[in-house]
Amino acid sequence: GAGVSQSPSNKVTEKGKDVELRCDPISGHTALYWYRQRLGQGLEFLIYFQGNSAPDKSGLPSDRFSAERTGESVSTLTIQRTQQEDSAVYLCASSLVFGGGELFFGEGSRLTVL
Amino acid sequence: AQSVTQLGSHVSVSEGALVLLRCNYSSSVPPYLFWYVQYPNQGLQLLLKYTTGATLVKGINGFEAEFKKSETSFHLTKPSAHMSDAAEYFCAVSAGTASKLTFGTGTRLQVTL
Repeated sequence: GAGVSQSPSNKVTEKGKDVELRCDPISGHTALYWYRQRLGQGLEFLIYFQGNSAPDKSGLPSDRFSAERTGESVSTLTIQRTQQEDSAVYLCASSLVFGGGELFFGEGSRLTVL
Repeated sequence: AQSVTQLGSHVSVSEGALVLLRCNYSSSVPPYLFWYVQYPNQGLQLLLKYTTGATLVKGINGFEAEFKKSETSFHLTKPSAHMSDAAEYFCAVSAGTASKLTFGTGTRLQVTL
C-alpha cells in the first residue's frame, strides 16, 4: 500500500478481554516497530522486527503483550487480559533501513480499556 | 544504550517569532538524530534527520537543526513561527544502523496571534 495501515483505528474493550492490533507496513520495508503513546506522554518503544532476525522484545511491558510478524509483511500486536493502564494509542512504523532510516508511521490504533 | 531529553513539554510562541525546541541526547557511539512532528489527529512524520556530514540540517516547512557534539544537543529552530506549526514535536536518537529509535517525551508547540 501507499502507507502504513493500522487496524482497528479505535477499539473499546472491557478489562480482562484480549485484543489484537494489526499493522500493514509499506511493501518492501524490512524493519517494523511498535510504539505505545499514552495520553500526554511520549512514544514508548515496545518491539521491533528486522527481516528474519530475532525481534527485540525488550520494550514489552509484561508477558501479557506479544507480537508476531510474518516475513516482511503484516504484524499483529496482542494484549491479553487487558488492564485499564493499557489504554493508549499503539503506533506502528516501518522503515527500509533499520536504525538510520526514516520511519513511516501509521495513524495508530486507539485502545480504550473500560 | 541511548536516550533523549526534551526540555519543555509545552512551548508557546507568537506568530512570526523564533521557534526553539530543545533536545539533548546521550549515546555511547556517534548518533543518528531525528525530529518528527505530529499534527493534530495525524500520524508522525519526519521533519529532518542527521546521520553524518554537515551538522546543520534543513527539513520541511522551514525548520532546521544543528548537531553539536560538544553540547550533545540537536535543537530544532525556525526563524518565524506560523500558526500551522502548532503540533507535537519529538526528538529521537539511534546508535547507527543497528539500533532502534528512542524517542523523547515530546514538546507541544502552541502558536498564538
